[in-house]
Amino acid sequence: RKEVEQDPGPFNVPEGATVAFNCTYSNSASQSFFWYRQDCRKEPKLLMSVYSSGNEDGRFTAQLNRASQYISLLIRDSKLSDSATYLCAVRRNGFNKFYFGSGTKLNVKP
Amino acid sequence: GAVVSQHPSWVICKSGTSVKIECRSLDFQATTMFWYRQFPKQSLMLMATSNEGSKATYEQGVEKDKFLINHASLTLSTLTVTSAHPEDSSFYICSAPPTGGNEQYFGPGTRLTVT
Repeated sequence: RKEVEQDPGPFNVPEGATVAFNCTYSNSASQSFFWYRQDCRKEPKLLMSVYSSGNEDGRFTAQLNRASQYISLLIRDSKLSDSATYLCAVRRNGFNKFYFGSGTKLNVKP
Repeated sequence: GAVVSQHPSWVICKSGTSVKIECRSLDFQATTMFWYRQFPKQSLMLMATSNEGSKATYEQGVEKDKFLINHASLTLSTLTVTSAHPEDSSFYICSAPPTGGNEQYFGPGTRLTVT
């Protein structure tokens, strides 16, 4: 079983829509969680860390559900510039190694 | 955020030759760096963990004699693709967590094409 699993999409949404991605992880020892954004032919860039209590950064909200072992990313009022691939990443407690999901592609259409 | 650089950003080489890729942390020290490979439309695949002052740790299925890693200092790791073949053509990305930090920062990647 993969360490981290994501729906590859693509998610095709109109501008202004709200879209949510989920990511499940298999190892309960996972301790730190992140969402990254990757544009085509570029490196991933950290979008936000995911905290136990959930956290929000502008139009982006991240949540963690430890019981069900998944993290989510909600994007409100989608912009054309949000079109990218979104990768979730988890890190186990005491380890530096990150495990990445395969990424979910988002296409925001005018 | 922290800055990680890679050099070169792209390289074309002939089959059978070796290519060295550098990864530098510019404004922080990193005792550990990671090397990933990404094929088109696929996810990041962790190749190895580069450890300053000791041997790299390779993921299952990655040939350590083909992908030589050296972590010479707290700010520099190198990946050498030896005897490159066309199937090694890929996007190679390094990342580093600042020592004691929780997040990882990626270099801009190196696009390798082997002809």
